[in-house]
Amino acid sequence: QVQVVESGGGVVQPGRSLRLSCATSGFTFDRYAMHWVRQSPGKGLEGVATISHDGNDKYYAESVKGRFTISRDNSKDTLYLQMNTLRDEDTAVYYCAKGTGADFWGQGTLVTVSS
Amino acid sequence: DIVMTQTPLSSPVTLGQPASISCRSSQSLVHSDGNTYLSWLQQRPGQPPRLLIYKISDRFSGVPDRFSGSGAGTDFTLKISRVEAEDVAVYYCMQSTQFPLTFGGGTKVEIK
Repeated sequence: QVQVVESGGGVVQPGRSLRLSCATSGFTFDRYAMHWVRQSPGKGLEGVATISHDGNDKYYAESVKGRFTISRDNSKDTLYLQMNTLRDEDTAVYYCAKGTGADFWGQGTLVTVSS
Repeated sequence: DIVMTQTPLSSPVTLGQPASISCRSSQSLVHSDGNTYLSWLQQRPGQPPRLLIYKISDRFSGVPDRFSGSGAGTDFTLKISRVEAEDVAVYYCMQSTQFPLTFGGGTKVEIK
């Protein structure tokens, strides 16, 4: 069955960096676009970044453009999110979601930006 | 980015009664391939979101048929024909016609 498992979250100071990973299994990873979506505590959902199946096309929310980088390793069935120059407002649970229509979601990993 | 607007914010419903949620997009969600990539997600307390409906009205695998979607262009609706206790959740509309994904603000369905 399809599985997506996020990791790499934690507590980090403002201005520092963090790299999230999303390990997948149960589907042919290199055939699907993938997304990172975040949810601040008690708030709604925000699409952070999307990457095409082959990694050639990447899209970012304005709020993270220039600071975050989405990437993938199709040989490892893994999605990444490199987050630089983190701000307080980046505090959220970060979810990885499969496919153009986000049909499977992981449990998420919590990123807390705090001094 | 496409802005998604959902109403109402909250929907108190009696068990066994219907519920309806509306979603409007700031521009047409019709893709160049002719499809309209409007989905509905359910998020129960403490859980990640789960896909219910995709391409306006197609139910995802395992979704009960009391959930239905309709609409076209920029106006869409999710209906629950008879609300059950397990339907208590926040519901989001989502567009994937353009990237990154954008979401409505959410509608909380609760039991009266």
